[in-house]
Amino acid sequence: QVQLQESGPGLVKPSETLSLTCTVSGGSISSYYWTWIRQPAGKGLEYIGRIYTTGSTSYNPSFKSRVTMSLDTSNNQLSLKLSSVTAADTAVYYCATYRLGSCSGGYCLNWFDPWGQGIVVTVSS
Amino acid sequence: EIVMTQSPAILSVSPGERATLSCRTSQSVDNNLAWYQQKPGQAPRLLIYGASTRATGIPARFSGSGSGTEFTLTISSLQSEDFAVYYCQQYQTFGPGTKVEIK
Repeated sequence: QVQLQESGPGLVKPSETLSLTCTVSGGSISSYYWTWIRQPAGKGLEYIGRIYTTGSTSYNPSFKSRVTMSLDTSNNQLSLKLSSVTAADTAVYYCATYRLGSCSGGYCLNWFDPWGQGIVVTVSS
Repeated sequence: EIVMTQSPAILSVSPGERATLSCRTSQSVDNNLAWYQQKPGQAPRLLIYGASTRATGIPARFSGSGSGTEFTLTISSLQSEDFAVYYCQQYQTFGPGTKVEIK
């Protein structure tokens, strides 16, 4: 059973780069898509982007100019970098497996499962 | 961009009662809709995908229905552990959530 665990600094200064790692256990990172999602305190869920085993990425346009995702297959890890952070980037950050199902009529079923437990990141000086 | 709405924002239900949660999308998404449960301090947990398929290990009291633009999550008999926030998701977009609280 795949399990995910986020790690990284819990405090980042404004204008700096947020860097997080997600370690995958119980399965190979060379399968599936992988994704990052965040949740500001008391608010809803926001999709950041996804990365495939080939290293190809797709980002939410809201983050596109600031976000970079990558894979480290030797350590079974994925990483997230978000540059030029502000207080608005303070949130719980989750990594998750991005599952794809059957495709029909231009639509492919997709869902996120499982999720890591999340890591709280605060942007503050 | 598809806009998602959930109603009601807060649902007050007594244990043992039935809960019906609604999710609407601004345009048809066929059956590409998932539901998640989130308890305080925890990550979301997948309940339903493909609008009606229960995820592994999810109790049968949870059921999903709908297609196109209107979807429903039904909890047939609420247990104490079911009080939580529920989100629907389509592609890369999540709904704002419905909080199910004890009446």
